[in-house]
Amino acid sequence: DQQVKQNSPSLSVQEGRISILNCDYTNSMFDYFLWYKKYPAEGPTFLISISSIKDKNEDGRFTVFLNKSAKHLSLHIVPSQPGDSAVYFCAATLTSYGKLTFGQGTILTVHP
Amino acid sequence: GAVVSQHPSWVICKSGTSVKIECRSLDFQATTMFWYRQFPKQSLMLMATSNEGSKATYEQGVEKDKFLINHASLTLSTLTVTSAHPEDSSFYICSALLAVSTDTQYFGPGTRLTVL
Repeated sequence: DQQVKQNSPSLSVQEGRISILNCDYTNSMFDYFLWYKKYPAEGPTFLISISSIKDKNEDGRFTVFLNKSAKHLSLHIVPSQPGDSAVYFCAATLTSYGKLTFGQGTILTVHP
Repeated sequence: GAVVSQHPSWVICKSGTSVKIECRSLDFQATTMFWYRQFPKQSLMLMATSNEGSKATYEQGVEKDKFLINHASLTLSTLTVTSAHPEDSSFYICSALLAVSTDTQYFGPGTRLTVL
């Protein structure tokens, strides 16, 4: 049972435009969500997170939106840069539980 | 801050040998570390949770006698793949919780294991 799903395996965006990566979850107990960026043969790098008490968190070019009623979160990257090209994983957890449940990942390609 | 290192970054070994992978938190103390493996084009799969000074908790389907985990100090956890076989070839990644009060995991760079 895939509790965290990223239904788009890939996304292609032009440099300067907005990239929107989506993630859905099924476990309503999850109350903390994270986005990680990963290059091949490297460990994931933490990007941004959001608690379930918020619906938006912004950090520079990255904004995460959370819609609890729809059990959906999204990562917006504006403006997109070629260096953003990587695999993006969303993850969810229960506060103080520790374990992360990852989505399958979305390959983002930003074209110059 | 929040840097996690792994050693080695890649290793090739013969079938039947054992391989030890180290995970260190360089600038913080991590009471909890996690071990993941990733197969090509797949998501990260949690193998086990490692708590300092206690036995690791393994996920369902992960053989604890094959994947030995030791968390002897607040900055070091080790994963030993015993009697490795070609099907154990994978990318192994560790992560560490920055503090008890946070749920953000910081990941190491990963170790590529190839078993011949």
